[in-house]
Amino acid sequence: EVQLLESGGGLVQSGGSLRLSCAASGFIFSNYGMTWVRQAPGKGLEWVSAISDSGWATDYADSVKGRVTISRDKSKNTLYLQMNSLRAEDTAVYFCARVANTVSAFDIWGQGTKVTVSS
Amino acid sequence: EIVLTQSPGTLSLSPGERATLSCRASQSVSSNYFAWYQQKYDQAPRLLIYDASSRATGIPDRFSGSGSGTDFTLTISRLEPEDFAVYYCQRYVTSPPGWTFGQGTKVEIK
Repeated sequence: EVQLLESGGGLVQSGGSLRLSCAASGFIFSNYGMTWVRQAPGKGLEWVSAISDSGWATDYADSVKGRVTISRDKSKNTLYLQMNSLRAEDTAVYFCARVANTVSAFDIWGQGTKVTVSS
Repeated sequence: EIVLTQSPGTLSLSPGERATLSCRASQSVSSNYFAWYQQKYDQAPRLLIYDASSRATGIPDRFSGSGSGTDFTLTISRLEPEDFAVYYCQRYVTSPPGWTFGQGTKVEIK
């Protein structure tokens, strides 16, 4: 079964750091680009960051650029999001998702991990 | 920056009725890399449509997508009870590279 499982969320103080993980299974992880999308409480979806299948190319939304780093470990089939200098507005459920090849849509999603930044 | 605006914000319909959801882009965009997602309460989103009109794997044929340029539409031909949810449109942009979502349309039971 194709599956993504996020972990690492929690409560952190403003200015703190957190690293999210996304464990992939059921598909060849190194063949797909991966992405993070977040959803603030009661709000819509916001794309955060993406990484290419090889890991060489990364992109970030302006709202997080310079504060977050996306990475992946092929040997562990795991995607990461390192978040620094966290702000109250980073409070959200963070989803990882697989980028479907050639169509740039997100075809497999994890269940999400909740990040709460307290001020 | 391309902005996607969805309308209406909320659609109140009964099971069996037809739902028509709209997504308008602030600039003309290629139908490639245009997608629709469904999100039920407290669940992850699910890909419904990609490339504006292609159904994703396992999506029932009552869901269809259309459009080009600045106007895109998701149609649910006959609403089933499980279709009441929030729907988002999405577009991949190349410069700067990234994805944009619309603000969502909630389809609720009338």
